[in-house]
Amino acid sequence: GQQVQQSPASLVLQEGENAELQCNFSSTATRLQWFYQHPGGRLVSLFYNPSGTKHTGRLTSTTVTNERRGSLHISSSQTTDSGTYFCAIGYRGSALGRLHFGAGTQLIVIP
Amino acid sequence: AQTIHQWPVAEIKAVGSPLSLGCTIKGKSSPNLYWYWQATGGTLQQLFYSITVGQVESVVQLNLSASRPKDDQFILSTEKLLLSHSGFYLCAWSLVWGPSAETLYFGSGTRLTVL
Repeated sequence: GQQVQQSPASLVLQEGENAELQCNFSSTATRLQWFYQHPGGRLVSLFYNPSGTKHTGRLTSTTVTNERRGSLHISSSQTTDSGTYFCAIGYRGSALGRLHFGAGTQLIVIP
Repeated sequence: AQTIHQWPVAEIKAVGSPLSLGCTIKGKSSPNLYWYWQATGGTLQQLFYSITVGQVESVVQLNLSASRPKDDQFILSTEKLLLSHSGFYLCAWSLVWGPSAETLYFGSGTRLTVL
């Protein structure tokens, strides 16, 4: 089956440090989406990025589809960045709207 | 602007009791709708999707059912809860067409505890 592997599983940063989250997937993906889950559970879409590089504020998403990998870069981390980051992959032939989620990276930013 | 509302926010239910969770989407006509489930501390898994009123497709069998009685409403239910149903249930929507058609947007979720 389709696999989505995220690394690291968890990460502790000092405020101001940068973070690089990785996402590797097993088959040719038609779409990649990054989500941030608040500690309370709400899931927020950060990027929809099937290929290339996108920026929003301190966040950068890079997807290299033919190498089956994506990354999320967080620069100058803040305590409010703490939470869980999920990479989710859509594959050709999957059920409509079906995203295969990775296990997530739990980020803790300490002041 | 589109808004997605899920209810209830949280539920504590007994094993064997019935369950009904709801989701409404405002500001978007005929969206694609989805139910996802997240075990505590785990990842998310799609349960159902619907592209139109009255039509629901099951993706994963978890002894749950879903219905779409109105264009803007999606219901998840079961007549008999199991312990394994505990977790976090998320409703999501996406556009039917357009450049962002494959982006999923999630509601705030319902946390279910089955005792």
